[in-house]
Amino acid sequence: GAVVSQHPSWVICKSGTSVKIECRSLDFQATTMFWYRQFPKQSLMLMATSNEGSKATYEQGVEKDKFLINHASLTLSTLTVTSAHPEDSSFYICSALTGNQETQYFGPGTRLLVL
Amino acid sequence: EDKVVQSPLSLVVHEGDTVTLNCSYEVTNFRSLLWYKQEKKAPTFLFMLTSSGIEKKSGRLSSILDKKELFSILNITATQTGDSAVYLCAVEGNEKLTFGTGTRLTIIP
Repeated sequence: GAVVSQHPSWVICKSGTSVKIECRSLDFQATTMFWYRQFPKQSLMLMATSNEGSKATYEQGVEKDKFLINHASLTLSTLTVTSAHPEDSSFYICSALTGNQETQYFGPGTRLLVL
Repeated sequence: EDKVVQSPLSLVVHEGDTVTLNCSYEVTNFRSLLWYKQEKKAPTFLFMLTSSGIEKKSGRLSSILDKKELFSILNITATQTGDSAVYLCAVEGNEKLTFGTGTRLTIIP
């Protein structure tokens, strides 16, 4: 089946630095990818929809200048957390839609810890 | 490689029917199994299961985990059109969350 990978799996950084997280669809092309953040009690919050070749669509309350999304190719979307703060520490998950928009495949997640 | 398989892929039933959705998994260092309902945007959390044999219930929805046979089921009784959604199963293990591809449930009035 289709696979979506994320890199890195784990990242620890100092407050004020920027962190880039990659999301790749390994065996299919994805014009649409999604970025989620997992909150306590397992809830998932959709941060933004990443569209290949165009600007990402951010959900209300998500700062687009802080969470930069780039979807430069049909198999790669990146999320950059700029000037990270401890409150940005979380589990970030991406997913990719297949070309027919029928199935969403999730990545394994990236755990970010900001000290 | 961790794997989560959901079945069926798609299910169409009439309102009032009872449905059972299946999730089987192979995950290293299992921590928990999660069920989500996805309608439009972010999946909505339904249940977290960590122990075998203990049923979790919320209204018409219930779920149980079998850690020996490595599967979970999600039951929905007296289905309503509002239950139409994609139901996702995800398993936590080794700092990873592995999702299945979901079961698309359609309830016909």
